[in-house]
Amino acid sequence: GAGVSQSPSNKVTEKGKDVELRCDPISGHTALYWYRQRLGQGLEFLIYFQGNSAPDKSGLPSDRFSAERTGESVSTLTIQRTQQEDSAVYLCASSNQETQYFGPGTRLLVL
Amino acid sequence: QQQVKQSPQSLIVQKGGISIINCAYENTAFDYFPWYQQFPGKGPALLIAIRPDVSEKKEGRFTISFNKSAKQFSLHIMDSQPGDSATYFCAASYRAGNNRKLIWGLGTSLAVNP
Repeated sequence: GAGVSQSPSNKVTEKGKDVELRCDPISGHTALYWYRQRLGQGLEFLIYFQGNSAPDKSGLPSDRFSAERTGESVSTLTIQRTQQEDSAVYLCASSNQETQYFGPGTRLLVL
Repeated sequence: QQQVKQSPQSLIVQKGGISIINCAYENTAFDYFPWYQQFPGKGPALLIAIRPDVSEKKEGRFTISFNKSAKQFSLHIMDSQPGDSATYFCAASYRAGNNRKLIWGLGTSLAVNP
């Protein structure tokens, strides 16, 4: 595919459960970003990957959040012991230079 | 110094009118200024971008005006259409070592009335 894809598109989970969100970036893009967007709000930076390493994790809100990237490709964002305040859209973007290309997001609802 | 301040938070324009969204920054290291458009239920998509060596860039009905001395840039949407109703984000980018950082404005919700 030509664009960034994310899965699942929607996820409903119960408080306390762990969730994994997946991002498939554009092939060849070395940079990958995760953002969180609460309803009607702006983009909250979570973490940035350059290749498989994460030089900037400053946006991860707590140690319940973690992310990894393998093969300079797919990335997984894991939220452990989900809380209701984790409910949001999680957006992934990839980039080769300045422009970030976004996926459609995963809509997470924690009940 | 890392902030990008965007205004207004929301904007209502009549069809055919001009929509204007403004952004201001402090960090002179920023060297790339994109605008993103986001429709409900979708991820943001690059609309238009400018570098600080030019004062204006136009693509169709969309124009970025850039004032380097004032550290301000704005998006103008001419002949606004209902289909332009979306949230618009400005951003500013700079290189930090081997990495490139993008700082986002908080967004402007634009509604174009038919």
